[in-house]
Amino acid sequence: SQQGEEDPQALSIQEGENATMNCSYKTSINNLQWYRQNSGRGLVHLILIRSNEREKHSGRLRVTLDTSKKSSSLLITASRAADTASYFCAMYNTDKLIFGTGTRLQVFP
Amino acid sequence: GAGVSQTPSNKVTEKGKYVELRCDPISGHTALYWYRQSLGQGPEFLIYFQGTGAADDSGLPNDRFFAVRPEGSVSTLKIQRTERGDSAVYLCASSSLGRGNSPLHFGNGTRLTVT
Repeated sequence: SQQGEEDPQALSIQEGENATMNCSYKTSINNLQWYRQNSGRGLVHLILIRSNEREKHSGRLRVTLDTSKKSSSLLITASRAADTASYFCAMYNTDKLIFGTGTRLQVFP
Repeated sequence: GAGVSQTPSNKVTEKGKYVELRCDPISGHTALYWYRQSLGQGPEFLIYFQGTGAADDSGLPNDRFFAVRPEGSVSTLKIQRTERGDSAVYLCASSSLGRGNSPLHFGNGTRLTVT
């Protein structure tokens, strides 16, 4: 079962614009992680934010977490065509990682 | 190895046949996960190993699915009497700490097609 839902399901932007993806989940979590998946490939870990953290940065990525609203967002600044991929949030629930439904991001050059 | 390796990369089988999918995790990673991903969906949890034992197999859809990790490294996912609905990409991942406290490293998956 999947406990995370992402919004929007698909997003198309121009290079240089910012992309924001949102994730909502249902249960309490220990941490929340974001992953990226290029077509036909495995997932690549981007960033992990713990439940006691509110914001985290990594390069052009910024992740926020609001445990009271059970939601997280991923912001990609100054997007590039190479950022085109699917992005998934994943919630650590007891002893396993449960993935959301994903956002398909298309960045046009 | 440098990363998680899954073999075969593609498997086509007939309905009713038995298949085995193999996963070689990153050396030294004690935690190993199997997920299944259908087109346009997120990965669906199947089973999690900590060492040789299955710590959580609650995601296995039915008793046709079974996974082993006898020596705490390589794992094999076994599917008996395959059905067309089993067609999906089967992903394996490993991590150093397990229990969701460290990032998962994924292989490129095995695309299973049941005809």
